Amino acid sequence: TQLLEQSPQFLSIQEGENLTVYCNSSSVFSSLQWYRQEPGEGPVLLVTVVTGGEVKKLKRLTFQFGDARKDSSLHITAAQPGDTGLYLCAGSNSGSARQLTFGSGTQLTVLP
Amino acid sequence: NAGVTQTPKFRILKIGQSMTLQCAQDMNHNYMYWYRQDPGMGLKLIYYSVGAGITDKGEVPNGYNVSRSTTEDFPLRLELAAPSQTSVYFCASSYRDGTYEQYFGPGTRLTVT
Repeated sequence: TQLLEQSPQFLSIQEGENLTVYCNSSSVFSSLQWYRQEPGEGPVLLVTVVTGGEVKKLKRLTFQFGDARKDSSLHITAAQPGDTGLYLCAGSNSGSARQLTFGSGTQLTVLP
Repeated sequence: NAGVTQTPKFRILKIGQSMTLQCAQDMNHNYMYWYRQDPGMGLKLIYYSVGAGITDKGEVPNGYNVSRSTTEDFPLRLELAAPSQTSVYFCASSYRDGTYEQYFGPGTRLTVT
């Protein structure tokens, strides 16, 4: 079973601060996705990274896939209250359907 | 497009009762998935389907059954509800395999008492 560990589990910061969330595994993934989930709703995809060492930017969010494709990070610059939510990383395995294995998530709260 | 829809939104079951969670998508996606999410945890895959008539077990299939008679619908059946099945259930679909974006429904919150 492939496992993804996310850290920290909870993060509470003030508006304007920067933060980084980590997603680590001992397994290699063919691709990795980051989702954000708001209360009472399903997760929504933020980004997919495929190549080792890949960096993708989405406005104030920067995503990086580790060179060995075993880990990833999400960095948020100048966090805003609208960034509040549960951030989930999910790795795709090499099976025929390439199911996703989800991490346990990082609950981010950005205080105004 | 409505995307992925799930019914009901909330349900309380007594131990031993049965129920079916409904899921439908109107995006003509071949791949569909059922996940459960427990408090403070990520999502665990229960069952998935790569097309009509084809289903397979995920990480936590015990106590559940699925069917896929059409591209649009992917119901999840709980035969003998147990307290351990108290969870939030999400249905999702994708155009192709798990490397593609998965679109999630709003979830069904199930309590078994």
